[in-house]
Formats: sequence, structure tokens, C-alpha cells
Amino acid sequence: EIVMTQSPMSLAVTPGEPASISCRSSQSLLHSNGFNYLDWYLQKPGQSPQLLIYLGSNRASGVPDRFSGSGSGTDFTLKIRRVEAEDVGVYFCLQTRQPPLIFGGGTRVEIK
Amino acid sequence: QITLKESGPTLVKPTQTLTLTCTFSGFSLTTERAGVGWIRQPPGKALEWLALFYGDDDKIYSPSLRSRLTITKDTSNNQVVLKLTNMAPVDTGTYYCAHKINSGFDYWGPGTLVTVSS
Repeated sequence: EIVMTQSPMSLAVTPGEPASISCRSSQSLLHSNGFNYLDWYLQKPGQSPQLLIYLGSNRASGVPDRFSGSGSGTDFTLKIRRVEAEDVGVYFCLQTRQPPLIFGGGTRVEIK
Repeated sequence: QITLKESGPTLVKPTQTLTLTCTFSGFSLTTERAGVGWIRQPPGKALEWLALFYGDDDKIYSPSLRSRLTITKDTSNNQVVLKLTNMAPVDTGTYYCAHKINSGFDYWGPGTLVTVSS
């Protein structure tokens, strides 16, 4: 079973400043097809999770371009170029390279 | 437009079996590579993937819960049903169903809170 380690656990950011979240996997998420099977989700307070990034670096439909995903293999990063108030919530990474699908522990982002 | 909604009991007793139904619209499970997954979240904790049902009848379960889980489909009613046996207080949480294609879970239901208590 792949272990997902997400950091930091929490993050307080000034509006307009950047933010970065790390997700590391115990095994490579890079498939022979060239895709990294790593997604990023945001769960806003009181809401269901929403897909932000899929296959490591592809923004889901409707996701603002201030969100970007990068990385390959075992190390991945979600970056928010300029944090806005509506970005608060808990961010989760998810590996879908092989079952069982495993979520990271989550990173709580709040506004200073 | 793709929508999903979970339904089922809000309260179950320990040792009982939980049956949750995911009713969806806007896609067909017969579409190649389309799937419906179940994910749960204990109060204040992280997400946990439970099971995945693909349109070609491929079913994948979390190994830690495999002995207690069953996922089935009712194609005529656009539903996917999850059964979790021998419920315990640690199974308390919000249960979500979500649509999956390619990699990500791109559409989620609103979730249903299930409490396990005698």
C-alpha cells in the first residue's frame, strides 16, 4: 500500500501571498504512459471536496489559473500563486496509481 | 450536467449493516472508464477511499474493509449501492459518492452523515 505524506498540516497565508503544499508518496506515481496519478482536492468549510488538479498538473474545469500542480514520481507540489479569501479550507492529495486509493492527511489553509 | 446524491439511514446500531445508495444523472456507467466511488470522512478527519465501481463491472475495494464491503449497481435506476456490514462507532462519518473518469473524482455528492450508536 502506498503511503501519502502531506505537509504542512496547516498554513496561514496573507491574502495576495503565495502558498505551497507538498505531497510525497512512498512509491512512484508515474505510470509507463507518462502520467503521474496524483490529484489535488480542496474541501471548503461545510462542503464536499472539489477536484483542483488531476494527473499531477492538469487543472480541472473551472479551476482558477492561480492554482498549479507540479512534480513527478514521488514528490508533488500544489501552489497557489496569490491566495484569496475563498481559498480557505482543507487541501488533500490523492494517489490513484494503484489500489487502494490513498488520500493525504490534509493541509488546512486559513487566512491571516 | 453530472449530479450525484447519497441516501440512506442517518443512524445505525452497532453490528448492523449500512446500505447507502448513490443516485446519479448526467452520465452512464456503461461509458468506458466511467466509475462511481465511495469515500468517507470521520468528523474532523481526513478522507478515506472505500470502493470503486467501474462501468465494465470492475469492482475495487479498500483492503482494510474488503471483508465488510459490497458495491453493486442498478443500471435501470442509475444507482450504485454500497453495503458495509458489522457497523461500529468508528464507522461514524460523512459518506460521499463521486464520479470518476480518467484520474480524478470530478463530481461529488453532497454527502450523508451516518452515526453509529446504540
